[in-house]
Amino acid sequence: DAKTTQPNSMESNEEEPVHLPCNHSTISGTDYIHWYRQLPSQGPEYVIHGLTSNVNNRMASLAIAEDRKSSTLILHRATLRDAAVYYCILTRFNKFYFGSGTKLNVKP
Amino acid sequence: DAGITQSPRYKITETGRQVTLMCHQTWSHSYMFWYRQDLGHGLRLIYYSAAADITDKGEVPDGYVVSRSKTENFPLTLESATRSQTSVYFCATRGANTGELFFGEGSRLTVL
Repeated sequence: DAKTTQPNSMESNEEEPVHLPCNHSTISGTDYIHWYRQLPSQGPEYVIHGLTSNVNNRMASLAIAEDRKSSTLILHRATLRDAAVYYCILTRFNKFYFGSGTKLNVKP
Repeated sequence: DAGITQSPRYKITETGRQVTLMCHQTWSHSYMFWYRQDLGHGLRLIYYSAAADITDKGEVPDGYVVSRSKTENFPLTLESATRSQTSVYFCATRGANTGELFFGEGSRLTVL
């Protein structure tokens, strides 16, 4: 199964950009890169996903390395509500495998 | 209309008892998934279903049984609950043409 590696935790200041890294050196050509986040006591929620090109949506941006072995989730301006666990996931054949994620702490 | 609902939200049972966690969706999404999340850990895939009557194992299927006779329902059964199955269980759906998973609120199961 495709694996991802993320730092256990990161800290950011409110209203500053946050770059959450993810390594996925075993990615195959058909694997999509997904990001989800989980707020305390809630189910995960979708943030963004991509295949090869960088992606932007209202929540975040996804920067994918040219060799696709790593990616970075960018929150352009962190708020206190962005404090959550962020999961980087590779999807293959419609299976979504979550790792342990990065716990993001946002300081006021 | 909640889209995806799980029941019960909280359940306490004893070792050896059978427990069924229900998952119901109103979107007619093709794919449905069951995950478990243990304290301080990420989610692990138990089973998933690509359509009615089509199911497949995930990472940790042992001790669990699923069925999907109707598109909208995907029950997860623990035939003989063990303490190691104490966890929070999340159901999720995904449309055939969408990239994202939609999660329920979770079912917290405690096995004594």
